[in-house]
Order: sequence, then structure tokens, then C-alpha cells
Amino acid sequence: RKEVEQDPGPFNVPEGATVAFNCTYSNSASQSFFWYRQDCRKEPKLLMSVYSSGNEDGRFTAQLNRASQYISLLIRDSKLSDSATYLCVVIPSGSARQLTFGSGTQLTVLP
Amino acid sequence: NAGVMQNPRHLVRRRGQEARLRCSPMKGHSHVYWYRQLPEEGLKFMVYLQKENIIDESGMPKERFSAEFPKEGPSILRIQQVVRGDSAAYFCASSPIGQASTDTQYFGPGTRLTVL
Repeated sequence: RKEVEQDPGPFNVPEGATVAFNCTYSNSASQSFFWYRQDCRKEPKLLMSVYSSGNEDGRFTAQLNRASQYISLLIRDSKLSDSATYLCVVIPSGSARQLTFGSGTQLTVLP
Repeated sequence: NAGVMQNPRHLVRRRGQEARLRCSPMKGHSHVYWYRQLPEEGLKFMVYLQKENIIDESGMPKERFSAEFPKEGPSILRIQQVVRGDSAAYFCASSPIGQASTDTQYFGPGTRLTVL
């Protein structure tokens, strides 16, 4: 079983749509959680950290369910510029600081 | 404040040659991480270094790969006797001194290695 699993997509949605991505992780003692985005052939960029209480940044909302070992990202009112690959990232327990990446979910927002 | 710098951005080597990838962390950052992204796959951790120390190399292949972060100068990821399977994007990230698991890692633009 992969440490971090994501639905690879692709998700093709029209502008203005709401889209949700899910992610599960296998190490129940994992300590930190993030969503990164990666544009084609570029470096990953931090989108937001994920907390148990949930957090929101503009059109983006992230949730963490530790009991289910499940992380989600919701994008509201999607824009063309949201087209990218979204990476679910975990720092496992016992890890010095290494990030463990999911394989990513590809999103294309269509005009 | 310049971001994480990596060079070269593109590197072509023939099988059996050596590849040297350089990474200069953001100003004030003393922690460097190397990740590899094979074609159509996710990023995989390779090694974590602080100045003059390797902290965690659990993701490094056992042979041909080495990394250093000297007191002066950039971090170097060295791949000896490259093979076609080494073709990938190699990303470096850096983070500041701070809380262990909450420091944000900032990524450089990557070096794309192609082995012919």
C-alpha cells in the first residue's frame, strides 16, 4: 500500500465549478499535512497546510480527518489558472522532515 | 530575496558519465532536501542535509548516488556512471532553522537530467 494515495484524475471541470480532491495516508502517526500544486514541468509550490480544525484560504478549503486518515481539498468557483496537478503531502511520524508525496491529481478547468 | 537556485536546469549525459547537480538554498536557510520525480510519477525523497552533515539519506539509492552540503557553496547531488533509469527531474528544497516538522520547504525549479 502506498503511503499517500490520491485519485489521479484527470478532473475536467468548467470554470466556476466546485471540485473536491481526496487523499488517504497509511501512517496513523503522521504529523503534518499539506497540499502543494505543481504546474506542468515546474516545481511544487505550497498551496496550504492542513489542520484538524480545517482551514480556508480564499476559494480553497482543506480538511483533515485523523480518525479516517483522510485529507481533502475543496476548490470553489474554479478559475482557468487553477489547472495544475494537486499533490497531497504528508510528513510521516519518525521522519526527520522528509515530505512524502502522493502521485497527484490532475485538474483542468475548461473555459 | 532570491529563491532556491538550481543549476543546470537541463543536463544531458551519456550512459556511464557523471552528473553533478547544484542547489543553493534560500538566504538564511540551512536545511536542504533533494527529491526525484521520475516521468509520470510523484516526487520521492532522497536525502536531507544540513551544513556539512547528512541527516537522513534513507531515500538515496545505495550505489552511485551521493550528496554533500559543504560549509561554503551549494549542495551537490552527484550521480556516478549514470544509466537511462536516472533520467528524471531532480528538485532541491530548503527550509530555515525552526520547528522540526512545520518548516515550509521551498522548492527550486529543478534539474532535468536526460541520460542518452
